[in-house]
Amino acid sequence: KAGVTQTPRYLIKTRGQQVTLSCSPISGHRSVSWYQQTPGQGLQFLFEYFSETQRNKGNFPGRFSGRQFSNSRSEMNVSTLELGDSALYLCASSPGGLERELFFGEGSRLTVL
Amino acid sequence: DQQVKQNSPSLSVQEGRISILNCDYTNSMFDYFLWYKKYPAEGPTFLISISSIKDKNEDGRFTVFLNKSAKHLSLHIVPSQPGDSAVYFCAASRWSSGDKLTFGTGTRLAVRP
Repeated sequence: KAGVTQTPRYLIKTRGQQVTLSCSPISGHRSVSWYQQTPGQGLQFLFEYFSETQRNKGNFPGRFSGRQFSNSRSEMNVSTLELGDSALYLCASSPGGLERELFFGEGSRLTVL
Repeated sequence: DQQVKQNSPSLSVQEGRISILNCDYTNSMFDYFLWYKKYPAEGPTFLISISSIKDKNEDGRFTVFLNKSAKHLSLHIVPSQPGDSAVYFCAASRWSSGDKLTFGTGTRLAVRP
């Protein structure tokens, strides 16, 4: 069974640009959530999607947005990039039922110059 | 507001000995707790979890203990192996919050041969 796949793995952007990250969950998983990992803050919850609907949202500005498609694949977008957005962005999937264990991808490493 | 805290940023243990990683939380609404292991350049990997209705859960060399009155949980690894060297994250969730996990900042475990 393939794991969670995230693309791209690494990318470099400049301030003011926007970026789109993609996540393909484990087959059969309906819930996809996104986390930001930085050295000082650890893993911070961004948002969660279930059956194409945003079910939960963390405390991030509106520049951070996401969506989920009918095949459960998800994208997140960050507009007007700032230096502080440099981080590892992790996608996780789960069946979305009673079990709350998340399965993480390897992440997309974003560097903003 | 750090609701999940791992106060030890690092821990060094001799191979074969016990590793004890600690985690404290402040939100009494958390009812499910998880431990994840993370190697560099990889996403977090689920290790073990515990529901708030239990005080202990065991899986092979890994045991998690939960003390609800103290709002404290710990992960015991016995015996420790060099391959256990990684960053360990404690996470907590509420049933009503879906897949939103609140993570600690991690403890880097080094197991010395």
